Amino acid sequence: GENVEQHPSTLSVQEGDSAVIKCTYSDSASNYFPWYKQELGKRPQLIIDIRSNVGEKKDQRIAVTLNKTAKHFSLHITETQPEDSAVYFCAASKGGSYIPTFGRGTSLIVHP
Amino acid sequence: DARVTQTPRDKVTEMGQEVTMRCQPILGHNTVFWYRQTMMQGLELLAYFRNRAPLDDSGMPKDRFSAEMPDATLATLKIQPSEPRDSAVYFCASGAGADTQYFGPGTRLTVL
Repeated sequence: GENVEQHPSTLSVQEGDSAVIKCTYSDSASNYFPWYKQELGKRPQLIIDIRSNVGEKKDQRIAVTLNKTAKHFSLHITETQPEDSAVYFCAASKGGSYIPTFGRGTSLIVHP
Repeated sequence: DARVTQTPRDKVTEMGQEVTMRCQPILGHNTVFWYRQTMMQGLELLAYFRNRAPLDDSGMPKDRFSAEMPDATLATLKIQPSEPRDSAVYFCASGAGADTQYFGPGTRLTVL
């Protein structure tokens, strides 16, 4: 089955810095890669996703890049703000009826 | 803004008691997932339904856990008998297909 590894497990940055979280996956058939943000005590919420037919997607201060050859994808957050502090989860799936596999999460702390 | 709802939000019970958690998926979604989240294990998939049919419950302890979808607007997760190690946050998520999942607010279960 699919295996998703996520690094780092904890990331501490100063406000205004950039943050990068990386995930690798094992199943080359995976073609859908969402990222979820979970604030303390709240539900995970989708913040951005990418499909295997594109290499990069941006939404304001967040972007996701995908390298299918190397089987890894990354979340980039620029100009970080304290409200970006949360746990971020990546996931990979083959789409359709296949179940997504989640990474273990990255706790991002943005210091004011 | 349609959302997945879950009840109860918090549940404290004693070991050996039955616990029932309920989930109302977003209207029109045909997939429902149950997850358990703990600090040690992260997000664990317990059960997956598609068009109300159970497709995967391999992550669920069969001797005490059961999941059902009596109709398209209700999914239930039962634990009988409950044990202290079942203490966790249980999330329900729904989607149109298995790609993007929309999570409910979770049920925080404490078994004493």
